[in-house]
Amino acid sequence: NAGVTQTPKFQVLKTGQSMTLQCAQDMNHNSMYWYRQDPGMGLRLIYYSASEGTTDKGEVPNGYNVSRLNKREFSLRLESAAPSQTSVYFCASSDRSYNSPLHFGNGTRLTVT
Amino acid sequence: DAKTTQPPSMDCAEGRAANLPCNHSTISGNEYVYWYRQIHSQGPQYIIHGLKNNETNEMASLIITEDRKSSTLILPHATLRDTAVYYCIVRFRDDKIIFGKGTRLHILP
Repeated sequence: NAGVTQTPKFQVLKTGQSMTLQCAQDMNHNSMYWYRQDPGMGLRLIYYSASEGTTDKGEVPNGYNVSRLNKREFSLRLESAAPSQTSVYFCASSDRSYNSPLHFGNGTRLTVT
Repeated sequence: DAKTTQPPSMDCAEGRAANLPCNHSTISGNEYVYWYRQIHSQGPQYIIHGLKNNETNEMASLIITEDRKSSTLILPHATLRDTAVYYCIVRFRDDKIIFGKGTRLHILP
């Protein structure tokens, strides 16, 4: 049972390049989330998807787009990367219930030069 | 903004109980309190959660006040491996799960 899988683990981009961060879960969860964590800071919610076919903005959505491809997969796209988007990105999933914890992936470490 | 307030850092001697407080004064009746921890730069790890009753599992205990406006996570016998950032969150009814800055717990040998 893999849980939440994020790819790639590491990525270096030049300013203006685009890329998609992939996230997949095998726990049949309805809700999926993207967070970013800057050095020494807490996690900030970028986007979330409460169910297949729906997405909503979190705290810091600017500069990002998301796609809930199916129940398993939730991708995060940077259309034109900026140095301010250098961060560690975490994907998480849970059942859609107040009584259900989040399960996190191991993160993608992104550097934009 | 996060709906919880935690001290930015705490120290605890190895072998002693670590008591981490959290204020969530605007919590609604059906919202659960969750605790996670993050060791180094790994993904946060779920610890425990509760609604109104005290809860205990193999990792920790959670004490929620009767008015549900605050809670305390208790690590009964802290070890060096418990050094981490601990996050207290409240799950909103619209699935928007917001983390604050957490408490950095230092376990002192």
